[in-house]
Amino acid sequence: ETGVTQSPTHLIKTRGQQVTLRCSSQSGHNTVSWYQQALGQGPQFIFQYYREEENGRGNFPPRFSGLQFPNYSSELNVNALELDDSALYLCASSWTPGTSGVDEQYFGPGTRLT
Amino acid sequence: AQKVTQAQTEISVVEKEDVTLDCVYETRDTTYYLFWYKQPPSGELVFLIRRNSFDEQNEISGRYSWNFQKSTSSFNFTITASQVVDSAVYFCALSEEAPQGGSEKLVFGKGTKLTVNP
Repeated sequence: ETGVTQSPTHLIKTRGQQVTLRCSSQSGHNTVSWYQQALGQGPQFIFQYYREEENGRGNFPPRFSGLQFPNYSSELNVNALELDDSALYLCASSWTPGTSGVDEQYFGPGTRLT
Repeated sequence: AQKVTQAQTEISVVEKEDVTLDCVYETRDTTYYLFWYKQPPSGELVFLIRRNSFDEQNEISGRYSWNFQKSTSSFNFTITASQVVDSAVYFCALSEEAPQGGSEKLVFGKGTKLTVNP
């Protein structure tokens, strides 16, 4: 186990609704990245939070938004849900110092959104 | 833009066979990192290996080995003497240049589903 937890495990929503997914980072990690994995596809980067600020965003519309809290846990919010938003949402936590670099990202088990 | 191609969609082998998973990548960066992740049916991505673009030394770790060739932009992964527990989807990933601070953003291939039959 990586120590990264996500809630809920599964979620069923209706088109047009809003959803909030949660991620608790591994202890000591200060960076959280969110990925969307559609069925049969590889994960796609949504955005990353570092020191409580958005730090890079993939090709996702503004209705995908997020937060990172002082304890480095994070939320992913999706407004006006569309059918294509059905996917496995993965969060990954990592530790980075003040400069950029590569750090191993530890993934959580994901939230399945239908 | 970065791109990762895993041409093999599905592979099926019999236990104890060796199997190689192919990965070809595209990037304009001179410094980049390559990764392999394993995703069992439970869904959690399990980190297997990371290599930077300056380290072409291939490695063997137990039953796993990796073949990184910059000349052909390939980063292949081999499982020797496969076992049923190796059945999973395997993803190759490439890191893009990190934003100021923070960790690298990963670009994943579509994955190769490996089934190891008894």
